[in-house]
This record gives sequence, structure tokens and C-alpha cells, in this order.
Amino acid sequence: GDSVTQMEGPVTLSEEAFLTINCTYTATGYPSLFWYVQYPGEGLQLLLKATKADDKGSNKGFEATYRKETTSFHLEKGSVQVSDSAVYFCALSDLSGYSTLTFGKGTMLLVSP
Amino acid sequence: NAGVTQTPKFQVLKTGQSMTLQCAQDMNHEYMSWYRQDPGMGLRLIHYSVGAGITDQGEVPNGYNVSRSTTEDFPLRLLSAAPSQTSVYFCASSYAEPSGSHNTEAFFGQGTRLTVV
Repeated sequence: GDSVTQMEGPVTLSEEAFLTINCTYTATGYPSLFWYVQYPGEGLQLLLKATKADDKGSNKGFEATYRKETTSFHLEKGSVQVSDSAVYFCALSDLSGYSTLTFGKGTMLLVSP
Repeated sequence: NAGVTQTPKFQVLKTGQSMTLQCAQDMNHEYMSWYRQDPGMGLRLIHYSVGAGITDQGEVPNGYNVSRSTTEDFPLRLLSAAPSQTSVYFCASSYAEPSGSHNTEAFFGQGTRLTVV
């Protein structure tokens, strides 16, 4: 079945550092790919998405590119802020059309001033 | 501007008790789903619905029942709670694109933290 693997955390960075969170997937066909963010005590919010190969999703300074050849969707940000501290989930939507998601285990990001 | 509303936010149950986790959305979304979040496991799909009267099982359905009598509501029932069901539960909804594509955004509720003792 489908699966998503993302790097384990926590990832600890200083403010203004560069961020990469790796995500690879296994799926039949070409699913849509998502990054969701969960701030403490809250539900998940969509951060960005990409629906086909070579698409780049971007939002709030975060970017991720859908790489079919490496089955990857790594999340990057050039300069993190303390307010980016959260748990980040990589996910894929299967081909059923029902928008159900397969999630990675999540990566906690801690940014210190 | 409520979006997806889950109640209660916190609940403690004794083993064997039953309860219903409520989920309501006001966006007229066709699709709704329930996930559980456990440490180190990410989110796993329990059940989902593609419209009123239509439900199906996800990855971890055992011990849970669902029904969907209206577009707005999608309650999750625990018939006999077990300690293994201690988790944070999230409800999500999304709209159906006419093309049947699978890239629509899922909107999540704030979650229900359930402890079974």
C-alpha cells in the first residue's frame, strides 16, 4: 500500500537558519502530495501542495517540489522563525478521488531565538 | 466561519464505556473522515464518508463505528472503549471536484483528546 517516510525529529534550529525536512513516498501511480503543519494544541493546516511531477508548492516562505524520479517532496525554507516551531506532516492523497490521506509520522521543528 | 467543529475537546473514559465523538462541518463538503494521531505514528485513517449514507473503512477501523445521515455531521462511536484507543482524534472534511481529482485540501478540526483508563 501507499506509504510516506519523513525524517525523524526533533529538528532544532536557530532563527534565520535554513530548513530541510526530507519526505519520500511509495504509491501506485502519481498521487498528490501535501505538507500539513500542526501548531501546539491545534489541528492540522495545509501548508502547501503539489499535484503533478515537477510542480512546486509554496506558502509562507516554505517550498517543496514534486520529484517523480526520486519519489520525494522535501520541505525547505530559507530562513526559519521562532513562530515556525510546529510539527510538520508530509502526506499523499491516493487515487480514489476521495481525498483520504496517508501521512508520514511527522517531524517536530523547534526554532530558538 | 466555523469550519470543522469537534466536540468534546477532552474526554476520559473507563474501559468498556461507550461514547460518541461529534464532528460537524459547515462548508457543505461531500467528503469527511476520521483519523487518530498517536505518538510516533502520524495520523491514521479510521473511517471515511463520501456522502450522506455512504461510509467505508480506513486503515484502523476496528472498535469504531460511523454513520453519515446528513452532509454536515459525521460522528464516531466507540462501543466499548479500550486503553488502546487512547489517542487524539481528528475529523476532516474536503470537497469533491467535478473531475474526480484527488488533490483537494482537507480541513481539520481541533481534535479530541481521549484517554481510556
